[in-house]
Amino acid sequence: DAGITQSPRYKITETGRQVTLMCHQTWSHSYMFWYRQDLGHGLRLIYYSAAADITDKGEVPDGYVVSRSKTENFPLTLESATRSQTSVYFCASRRLAGAEQYFGPGTRLTVT
Amino acid sequence: AQKVTQAQTEISVVEKEDVTLDCVYETRDTTYYLFWYKQPPSGELVFLIRRNSFDEQNEISGRYSWNFQKSTSSFNFTITASQVVDSAVYFCALSVPTGGGSYIPTFGRGTSLIVHP
Repeated sequence: DAGITQSPRYKITETGRQVTLMCHQTWSHSYMFWYRQDLGHGLRLIYYSAAADITDKGEVPDGYVVSRSKTENFPLTLESATRSQTSVYFCASRRLAGAEQYFGPGTRLTVT
Repeated sequence: AQKVTQAQTEISVVEKEDVTLDCVYETRDTTYYLFWYKQPPSGELVFLIRRNSFDEQNEISGRYSWNFQKSTSSFNFTITASQVVDSAVYFCALSVPTGGGSYIPTFGRGTSLIVHP
């Protein structure tokens, strides 16, 4: 199906473990984004990518790593998960620089 | 640095009431984009509207209307005759250019709208 998907939808992991959240879009959008959503903070940008092999930090990048070897995929890795990274993570894409974003369904991550 | 303020954390209304969600933004850029997104209880984020900084015309889409005023740096959202299905968290967002030509969005903290039957 066309659109933007995230996997897994739910994940429980332990402190110190590495975990990767996947994001895939079928529109060939240039831009992709990762946000975390926490109560009282709204959506905060972790990393974004303007094209394949081009990534840049957002507001809260510490503890996260991204890569974008293909236009359609933008995985987010927590190298050593901490409890403070318990959150709902949203991936988004957009076609042009000033365009609206389209969001994936989110991944609820719990770090115990 | 850019900032988006949604001062109303939660609004509670009764069905058929009109309700306005406020959004105030700060930026020094002359070219920027403003957005509203809806997040219903199911959790997905849905795009509602996009406005560029050079277009101050108000917009109406069914029961939804948006008032963009550069003089007050506001981009308010009004729902006329609210319905229970309008219950959601609404986010205002501002996109400003970076040195590399990307437009990076900043979101407000959201306003939770509860419409009671």
